[in-house]
Amino acid sequence: EAGVTQSPTHLIKTRGQQATLRCSPISGHTSVYWYQQALGLGLQFLLWYDEGEERNRGNFPPRFSGRQFPNYSSELNVNALELEDSALYLCASSLGTGSYEQYFGPGTRLTVT
Amino acid sequence: GDSVTQMEGPVTLSEEAFLTINCTYTATGYPSLFWYVQYPGEGLQLLLKATKADDKGSNKGFEATYRKETTSFHLEKGSVQVSDSAVYFCALSAFAGGTSYGKLTFGQGTILTVHP
Repeated sequence: EAGVTQSPTHLIKTRGQQATLRCSPISGHTSVYWYQQALGLGLQFLLWYDEGEERNRGNFPPRFSGRQFPNYSSELNVNALELEDSALYLCASSLGTGSYEQYFGPGTRLTVT
Repeated sequence: GDSVTQMEGPVTLSEEAFLTINCTYTATGYPSLFWYVQYPGEGLQLLLKATKADDKGSNKGFEATYRKETTSFHLEKGSVQVSDSAVYFCALSAFAGGTSYGKLTFGQGTILTVHP
């Protein structure tokens, strides 16, 4: 069974640009979560999507946004990139709102110069 | 709000030594608790979980018991191997009225290095 996949693996952007990160959940999983792992700051929750709807949002500015498609894949968009947005962005999926376990992808390394 | 505190690292051990990584939490209600492991250059892998008080999660020789009275979920392994070298994260998933908040709240991570 294929795990959570993310693309691209690495992304280099310039300050002020926009970045788009993509995630495909495990087959059968309807919930997708996004986390930011910045150096020295640990793992911070960004967004949770389930059945195409945003269910919860972490303490991040509105320039972090996303969506979930009918096939349950998801996209994270970061607008007006800042240097401090440089981080590993991890996507996770779970069976649904009643499931406790989240399974993570390998991440997208975003570097803002 | 919810929080997870892990013992400060890094932790360095010799092969076959006993491992304990402490984890305590603060949460309303009865959260589910997890240990995740992150190998260099990879994402997080679920190591084990416990969903209610006194549950013991176990996997690959690692164990952790959900202790509600001490709000703890310490990770243990009787004999570590070089291949266990990684970063270990304790996490919780909180609920309110039976509804999940969805998010995992993580500890700061503990770097484990095992020498031959």
